Amino acid sequence: DSGVTQTPKHLITATGQRVTLRCSPRSGDLSVYWYQQSLDQGLQFLIQYYNGEERAKGNILERFSAQQFPDLHSELNLSSLELGDSALYFCASGTAMNTEAFFGQGTRLTVV
Amino acid sequence: AQTVTQSQPEMSVQEAETVTLSCTYDTSESDYYLFWYKQPPSRQMILVIRQEAYKQQNATENRFSVNFQKAAKSFSLKISDSQLGDAAMYFCAYSKTQGGSEKLVFGKGMKLTVNP
Repeated sequence: DSGVTQTPKHLITATGQRVTLRCSPRSGDLSVYWYQQSLDQGLQFLIQYYNGEERAKGNILERFSAQQFPDLHSELNLSSLELGDSALYFCASGTAMNTEAFFGQGTRLTVV
Repeated sequence: AQTVTQSQPEMSVQEAETVTLSCTYDTSESDYYLFWYKQPPSRQMILVIRQEAYKQQNATENRFSVNFQKAAKSFSLKISDSQLGDAAMYFCAYSKTQGGSEKLVFGKGMKLTVNP
């Protein structure tokens, strides 16, 4: 168990809908990262939050947004969903004191 | 921008044999970290081994070792005495730090099959 909790584990939704993925980082970790894993693109960095503030942005679509709350949990919001958004979404947490970043078990999103 | 390339999408190895997974990367930084992650069917991302760029000595973790060639920007993973449980996707990754205070840049992954 990495200590990073992601919910839900699986999500099936229709095109055009909006979903929210949730991540609880390891206790004490200030950084939360979101990654998207798809068959054709591999694992791509989406966005990083550090202690409530956006720290770095990757290939995140404008239809996607994220935030980190005062208790350090984070949510990734995906809207106007398309079939191509079907992927595994990982959250990871970390801090400069860690020796590695810790990954959650991912949320499998299927858009039908 | 940093990039990580894994040119072999799939490999197979016989149980108890040795296999080497290749990875190349590109960066203009002099200090950085390289990682190999394993993703079994459970889809959990598991850190296998890490290498600090400033260390010339290659990292080893039990049956796993790396061949780090900084000048060539090459970072291969050797798995010795392959076991059925080694079957998984393997991802090479790069980061400016080791501890999760910077993002990871991943290669596209390689599927390893272990044949009994």
